Amino acid sequence: EAGVAQSPRYKIIEKRQSVAFWCNPISGHATLYWYQQILGQGPKLLIQFQNNGVVDDSQLPKDRFSAERLKGVDSTLKIQPAKLEDSAVYLCASSFRQGLTDTQYFGPGTRLTVL
Amino acid sequence: AQSVTQLDSQVPVFEEAPVELRCNYSSSVSVYLFWYVQYPNQGLQLLLKYLSGSTLVKGINGFEAEFNKSQTSFHLRKPSVHISDTAEYFCAVSLQGGKIIFGQGTELSVKP
Repeated sequence: EAGVAQSPRYKIIEKRQSVAFWCNPISGHATLYWYQQILGQGPKLLIQFQNNGVVDDSQLPKDRFSAERLKGVDSTLKIQPAKLEDSAVYLCASSFRQGLTDTQYFGPGTRLTVL
Repeated sequence: AQSVTQLDSQVPVFEEAPVELRCNYSSSVSVYLFWYVQYPNQGLQLLLKYLSGSTLVKGINGFEAEFNKSQTSFHLRKPSVHISDTAEYFCAVSLQGGKIIFGQGTELSVKP
């Protein structure tokens, strides 16, 4: 079974530029998550999709971050314009319901450096 | 709101020694608890989870964790570590199927 795919793996941009990340979840997983992991911290949920609808985006900085999941499969996360503090690893995860709870499967992440 | 505290940011240990990574959580209601491992330049992988039932949970790679409701703890243990266990370990909590909140992580460094 193929895992969660993310691209690019690494991205370096200058502040005020825009950037986009792509995620392809595991086939059949209805739920998709984007996390931000700043160096030395645990992942923080940015947005959660159920199929192509948003379930939780309470921690997404909506003035600069946007995400979409067209057709309930692939997803893109965009930052425009980027700030220095956006330097982090952006993790995508997908899940399906197994009994009492979902088990999340994570992609390898995209490491963003903003100069 | 629930939260997670991992009490050690770094744990150095020699190969074949036992290890315990400590995790405390706070919540006024029942929670689900998880441990994830993150190897360098990779995403997170689920080690084990506690949802209900037996308080001793066994996971992959020889790890186990014990849920202690009175102490609000979910410490991770392994009786004998290998070099390959060197990684970052994250404790996490969710409100019965809701959003997962991760701790700050514990860097386990296994030395020969």
